[in-house]
Amino acid sequence: GAVVSQHPSRVICKSGTSVKIECRSLDFQATTMFWYRQFPKQSLMLMATSNEGSKATYEQGVEKDKFLINHASLTLSTLTVTSAHPEDSSFYICSPDRGETQYFGPGTRLLVL
Amino acid sequence: GIQVEQSPPDLILQEGANSTLRCNFSDSVNNLQWFHQNPWGQLINLFYIPSGTKQNGRLSATTVATERYSLLYISSSQTTDSGVYFCALNSGNTPLVFGKGTRLSVIA
Repeated sequence: GAVVSQHPSRVICKSGTSVKIECRSLDFQATTMFWYRQFPKQSLMLMATSNEGSKATYEQGVEKDKFLINHASLTLSTLTVTSAHPEDSSFYICSPDRGETQYFGPGTRLLVL
Repeated sequence: GIQVEQSPPDLILQEGANSTLRCNFSDSVNNLQWFHQNPWGQLINLFYIPSGTKQNGRLSATTVATERYSLLYISSSQTTDSGVYFCALNSGNTPLVFGKGTRLSVIA
């Protein structure tokens, strides 16, 4: 299977600060990256789809100015949670598009105090 | 959009038991996958199975696309099988939509 890394694996921050999450596909190049969010005991919800070199497409209800996505290269995408609030505490998971079979990063657990 | 329904929502098994997890969907699909999310959150792809039957060790899956359901079979369950099993699918060229999952606990 594909190798996908995320950094950091967990982060605790104060309300109002910004947090950047990196996602790297280590053994393949991905034109498209999916970002998901998962609240405790719930399913994965797609937040946005990004394509390398262009603006991301956000799902309904996801604020594009709050969740900044940069897909600068075929192996790296970043998600920045700006001015984080406690309700942004969640598990964030990236998934580089590799065609039929989808692979996921190990996730980043964000806790905003 | 396409709807995905998984059952049962929760399942407790004695080690060694067999189980069947079900995924119903509302429209034709061109991509259906089963995933296992372990207790640390990592999602592992189990099967890419928009139709037909596949087997991998103690796990097998069957999708009957014409009747809009897929089944995941776990045989001789082990404690390491615990976690959440998700069915995810799409129709057309859209991102995968995830079901709510089946939370499995296998006890020794």
